[in-house]
Amino acid sequence: NAGVTQTPKFQVLKTGQSMTLQCAQDMNHEYMSWYRQDPGMGLRLIHYSVGAGITDQGEVPNGYNVSRSTTEDFPLRLLSAAPSQTSVYFCASSTDPWAGNTIYFGEGSWLTVV
Amino acid sequence: GQNIDQPTEMTATEGAIVQINCTYQTSGFNGLFWYQQHAGEAPTFLSYNVLDGLEEKGRFSSFLSRSKGYSYLLLKELQMKDSASYLCAVRTNAGKSTFGDGTTLTVKP
Repeated sequence: NAGVTQTPKFQVLKTGQSMTLQCAQDMNHEYMSWYRQDPGMGLRLIHYSVGAGITDQGEVPNGYNVSRSTTEDFPLRLLSAAPSQTSVYFCASSTDPWAGNTIYFGEGSWLTVV
Repeated sequence: GQNIDQPTEMTATEGAIVQINCTYQTSGFNGLFWYQQHAGEAPTFLSYNVLDGLEEKGRFSSFLSRSKGYSYLLLKELQMKDSASYLCAVRTNAGKSTFGDGTTLTVKP
Protein backbone atom coordinates (compact mmCIF):
# COMPACT_ATOMS: atom_id res chain seq x y z
CA ASN A 1 0.00 0.00 0.00
CA ALA A 2 2.77 2.44 -0.98
CA GLY A 3 0.84 5.25 -2.72
CA VAL A 4 3.18 8.21 -3.33
CA THR A 5 6.72 7.74 -2.04
CA GLN A 6 9.15 10.61 -1.67
CA THR A 7 12.83 10.42 -0.79
CA PRO A 8 14.72 11.73 1.06
CA LYS A 9 12.54 12.90 3.94
CA PHE A 10 15.19 15.28 5.27
CA GLN A 11 18.16 16.84 3.49
CA VAL A 12 20.66 19.60 4.23
CA LEU A 13 22.47 21.12 1.27
CA LYS A 14 25.16 23.72 0.89
CA THR A 15 24.54 26.68 -1.37
CA GLY A 16 25.44 25.77 -4.94
CA GLN A 17 25.04 22.02 -4.53
CA SER A 18 22.67 20.09 -6.74
CA MET A 19 20.37 17.27 -5.75
CA THR A 20 17.34 15.30 -6.87
CA LEU A 21 14.19 14.68 -4.88
CA GLN A 22 12.71 11.36 -5.91
CA CYS A 23 8.99 10.71 -6.27
CA ALA A 24 7.34 7.44 -7.25
CA GLN A 25 3.72 6.34 -7.31
CA ASP A 26 2.32 2.85 -7.77
CA MET A 27 -1.28 3.79 -8.59
CA ASN A 28 -0.79 4.19 -12.35
CA HIS A 29 -1.73 7.85 -12.10
CA GLU A 30 -1.19 10.00 -15.16
CA TYR A 31 -1.01 13.33 -13.40
CA MET A 32 1.91 14.17 -11.10
CA SER A 33 3.09 17.43 -9.61
CA TRP A 34 5.59 19.01 -7.26
CA TYR A 35 4.71 21.69 -4.71
CA ARG A 36 6.72 23.62 -2.21
CA GLN A 37 5.33 24.92 1.05
CA ASP A 38 7.03 27.70 2.98
CA PRO A 39 6.20 28.29 6.66
CA GLY A 40 2.68 29.63 7.18
CA MET A 41 1.86 29.48 3.51
CA GLY A 42 -0.05 27.29 1.16
CA LEU A 43 1.31 25.00 -1.51
CA ARG A 44 2.85 26.55 -4.59
CA LEU A 45 3.05 24.53 -7.79
CA ILE A 46 6.59 24.11 -9.14
CA HIS A 47 6.16 21.74 -12.10
CA TYR A 48 3.56 19.26 -13.19
CA SER A 49 3.09 16.46 -15.70
CA VAL A 50 -0.09 15.14 -17.33
CA GLY A 51 1.60 11.98 -18.56
CA ALA A 52 4.89 10.30 -19.41
CA GLY A 53 7.03 12.52 -21.61
CA ILE A 54 5.01 15.66 -20.85
CA THR A 55 5.96 18.31 -18.30
CA ASP A 56 4.98 21.92 -17.76
CA GLN A 57 5.82 24.78 -15.46
CA GLY A 58 3.77 25.83 -12.48
CA GLU A 59 3.87 29.07 -10.49
CA VAL A 60 7.47 28.90 -9.21
CA PRO A 61 9.58 26.82 -11.65
CA ASN A 62 12.85 28.77 -11.54
CA GLY A 63 15.78 26.80 -10.18
CA TYR A 64 14.07 23.44 -10.66
CA ASN A 65 13.98 20.86 -13.43
CA VAL A 66 11.74 17.82 -13.86
CA SER A 67 11.42 14.90 -16.22
CA ARG A 68 8.79 12.20 -16.67
CA SER A 69 10.33 9.24 -18.47
CA THR A 70 7.90 6.74 -16.91
CA THR A 71 4.37 6.95 -15.52
CA GLU A 72 5.63 5.97 -12.08
CA ASP A 73 8.49 8.42 -11.49
CA PHE A 74 8.67 12.21 -11.39
CA PRO A 75 12.01 13.43 -9.98
CA LEU A 76 12.62 17.08 -9.09
CA ARG A 77 16.14 18.42 -9.60
CA LEU A 78 17.62 21.43 -7.88
CA LEU A 79 20.34 22.65 -10.19
CA SER A 80 22.26 24.96 -7.84
CA ALA A 81 20.67 25.14 -4.41
CA ALA A 82 19.99 28.54 -2.84
CA PRO A 83 18.84 29.42 0.69
CA SER A 84 15.54 30.62 -0.83
CA GLN A 85 14.83 27.00 -1.74
CA THR A 86 14.69 25.99 1.90
CA SER A 87 11.17 24.60 2.13
CA VAL A 88 9.03 21.51 2.44
CA TYR A 89 8.45 19.78 -0.88
CA PHE A 90 5.41 17.65 -1.64
CA CYS A 91 4.99 15.36 -4.58
CA ALA A 92 1.42 14.55 -5.58
CA SER A 93 -0.39 12.36 -8.06
CA SER A 94 -3.93 11.85 -9.31
CA THR A 95 -5.81 10.08 -12.06
CA ASP A 96 -7.45 11.88 -14.98
CA PRO A 97 -7.31 15.53 -13.84
CA TRP A 98 -10.64 16.16 -15.47
CA ALA A 99 -12.36 13.67 -13.22
CA GLY A 100 -13.54 14.34 -9.69
CA ASN A 101 -10.62 12.65 -8.04
CA THR A 102 -8.48 13.60 -5.14
CA ILE A 103 -4.82 14.47 -5.22
CA TYR A 104 -2.68 12.01 -3.27
CA PHE A 105 0.33 13.54 -1.55
CA GLY A 106 3.63 12.06 -0.52
CA GLU A 107 4.77 12.58 3.04
CA GLY A 108 6.98 15.54 2.18
CA SER A 109 10.69 16.27 1.94
CA TRP A 110 12.19 18.83 4.32
CA LEU A 111 15.05 20.61 2.57
CA THR A 112 17.41 23.09 4.22
CA VAL A 113 19.97 25.03 2.17
CA VAL A 114 22.75 26.62 4.21
CA GLY B 1 -3.75 33.05 -13.40
CA GLN B 2 -5.61 32.17 -10.26
CA ASN B 3 -6.20 34.20 -7.13
CA ILE B 4 -7.41 32.36 -4.05
CA ASP B 5 -8.27 34.10 -0.79
CA GLN B 6 -9.11 32.60 2.58
CA PRO B 7 -8.80 33.95 6.12
CA THR B 8 -5.44 33.42 7.76
CA GLU B 9 -6.65 32.30 11.17
CA MET B 10 -9.87 31.33 12.92
CA THR B 11 -10.68 30.24 16.46
CA ALA B 12 -13.70 28.25 17.58
CA THR B 13 -14.91 26.33 20.61
CA GLU B 14 -15.14 22.57 20.92
CA GLY B 15 -18.61 21.36 19.95
CA ALA B 16 -19.39 24.48 17.92
CA ILE B 17 -19.77 25.03 14.16
CA VAL B 18 -17.26 26.96 12.08
CA GLN B 19 -17.39 28.14 8.47
CA ILE B 20 -14.19 28.76 6.51
CA ASN B 21 -14.65 30.84 3.38
CA CYS B 22 -12.69 30.76 0.15
CA THR B 23 -13.00 33.12 -2.80
CA TYR B 24 -11.26 32.60 -6.09
CA GLN B 25 -10.75 34.06 -9.52
CA THR B 26 -9.79 31.70 -12.31
CA SER B 27 -10.30 30.88 -15.95
CA GLY B 28 -11.27 27.39 -16.99
CA PHE B 29 -12.61 26.32 -13.59
CA ASN B 30 -12.70 22.55 -13.21
CA GLY B 31 -13.32 21.97 -9.51
CA LEU B 32 -12.60 23.11 -6.00
CA PHE B 33 -11.01 21.00 -3.28
CA TRP B 34 -10.66 21.36 0.46
CA TYR B 35 -7.75 19.76 2.27
CA GLN B 36 -6.84 19.43 5.93
CA GLN B 37 -3.21 19.69 6.96
CA HIS B 38 -1.87 19.06 10.44
CA ALA B 39 1.49 20.58 11.31
CA GLY B 40 4.39 18.63 9.85
CA GLU B 41 2.15 16.40 7.75
CA ALA B 42 0.96 16.20 4.16
CA PRO B 43 -2.47 17.56 3.21
CA THR B 44 -5.33 15.09 3.28
CA PHE B 45 -8.41 15.33 1.09
CA LEU B 46 -11.69 16.50 2.65
CA SER B 47 -14.08 17.41 -0.15
CA TYR B 48 -14.54 18.21 -3.82
CA ASN B 49 -17.10 20.44 -5.55
CA VAL B 50 -17.47 20.92 -9.28
CA LEU B 51 -21.17 21.87 -9.46
CA ASP B 52 -22.99 24.52 -7.44
CA GLY B 53 -24.43 23.43 -4.15
CA LEU B 54 -23.63 21.65 -0.94
CA GLU B 55 -21.69 18.42 -0.53
CA GLU B 56 -22.00 16.77 2.87
CA LYS B 57 -19.64 14.22 4.38
CA GLY B 58 -20.32 13.49 8.01
CA ARG B 59 -19.26 16.47 10.13
CA PHE B 60 -17.82 18.26 7.09
CA SER B 61 -19.76 20.04 4.33
CA SER B 62 -18.54 22.13 1.43
CA PHE B 63 -20.49 24.61 -0.65
CA LEU B 64 -19.72 26.06 -4.07
CA SER B 65 -21.10 28.98 -6.06
CA ARG B 66 -19.31 29.16 -9.41
CA SER B 67 -20.98 32.41 -10.46
CA LYS B 68 -19.70 34.12 -7.30
CA GLY B 69 -16.30 32.39 -7.22
CA TYR B 70 -17.05 31.36 -3.67
CA SER B 71 -16.84 28.27 -1.53
CA TYR B 72 -17.03 27.47 2.14
CA LEU B 73 -16.12 24.54 4.32
CA LEU B 74 -18.44 23.93 7.25
CA LEU B 75 -17.22 21.93 10.22
CA LYS B 76 -19.82 20.80 12.76
CA GLU B 77 -19.45 19.43 16.28
CA LEU B 78 -15.88 20.63 16.44
CA GLN B 79 -13.33 18.41 18.12
CA MET B 80 -9.88 19.30 19.41
CA LYS B 81 -8.35 17.16 16.66
CA ASP B 82 -9.89 19.51 14.07
CA SER B 83 -7.22 22.08 14.96
CA ALA B 84 -5.28 22.23 11.69
CA SER B 85 -4.79 24.26 8.54
CA TYR B 86 -7.53 24.05 5.93
CA LEU B 87 -6.47 24.59 2.34
CA CYS B 88 -8.74 25.62 -0.50
CA ALA B 89 -7.51 24.54 -3.95
CA VAL B 90 -8.88 25.31 -7.41
CA ARG B 91 -8.27 23.14 -10.45
CA THR B 92 -8.41 24.34 -14.04
CA ASN B 93 -9.25 22.58 -17.27
CA ALA B 94 -5.52 22.39 -17.97
CA GLY B 95 -5.22 20.05 -14.99
CA LYS B 96 -3.33 22.47 -12.74
CA SER B 97 -4.36 22.80 -9.11
CA THR B 98 -3.55 26.01 -7.22
CA PHE B 99 -3.77 26.24 -3.45
CA GLY B 100 -4.66 29.13 -1.20
CA ASP B 101 -2.41 29.97 1.74
CA GLY B 102 -4.63 28.07 4.14
CA THR B 103 -6.70 28.94 7.20
CA THR B 104 -5.28 27.90 10.55
CA LEU B 105 -8.13 26.78 12.78
CA THR B 106 -7.63 26.58 16.53
CA VAL B 107 -10.26 24.70 18.49
CA LYS B 108 -10.41 25.65 22.17
CA PRO B 109 -12.01 23.64 25.01
